[in-house]
Amino acid sequence: GDSVTQMEGPVTLSEEAFLTINCTYTATGYPSLFWYVQYPGEGLQLLLKATKADDKGSNKGFEATYRKETTSFHLEKGSVQVSDSAVYFCALTINTGGFKTIFGAGTRLFVKA
Amino acid sequence: NAGVTQTPKFQVLKTGQSMTLQCAQDMNHEYMSWYRQDPGMGLRLIHYSVGAGITDQGEVPNGYNVSRSTTEDFPLRLLSAAPSQTSVYFCASSYGAGGSSSYNSPLHFGNGTRLTVT
Repeated sequence: GDSVTQMEGPVTLSEEAFLTINCTYTATGYPSLFWYVQYPGEGLQLLLKATKADDKGSNKGFEATYRKETTSFHLEKGSVQVSDSAVYFCALTINTGGFKTIFGAGTRLFVKA
Repeated sequence: NAGVTQTPKFQVLKTGQSMTLQCAQDMNHEYMSWYRQDPGMGLRLIHYSVGAGITDQGEVPNGYNVSRSTTEDFPLRLLSAAPSQTSVYFCASSYGAGGSSSYNSPLHFGNGTRLTVT
């Protein structure tokens, strides 16, 4: 079935370090791909998205590229800040037999000053 | 603009009790859904709706009922609470309900309801 696998956390980085959070997916059909971020005590909010192969989504210094050949959508940021500490979720949305969004397990990021 | 509003924020139930989690959105979104969030498991879809009068089951529907009488509201009912239903529940909505615009549209989430069943 359709699924999303992302790297386990927590990930702990120092401020200004480079961030990569890996995400791979399995899907029947052609999904749209998303990264969501969750800050403590809040719901998830959209960070970026990509809707077709080779699209790059970007926002707030984060970016991810839709790689159909490797079924991946890895999240990257060149220089993290303490305020980036949160839980990051990779997700896909597909419209086969019902419109559904499927989430990965989430990766918690801690950034130290 | 309120977005997606969930009530209550916290709830404690005893095993066997029933309750309704409320969800309302003011964005005129056709699609609404309920997820539960458990540690290490991400978000799992409970039920969803693509419009008023239409609901369908997600990945983990057992023990939950939903209805969609209006575009704005999508309540989640726990029929007989069990400790396994202790979780954080999120309501989410998005524009569109099945066309290509739907699955390109992101979900908008409420701030969640933390439910404990003892």
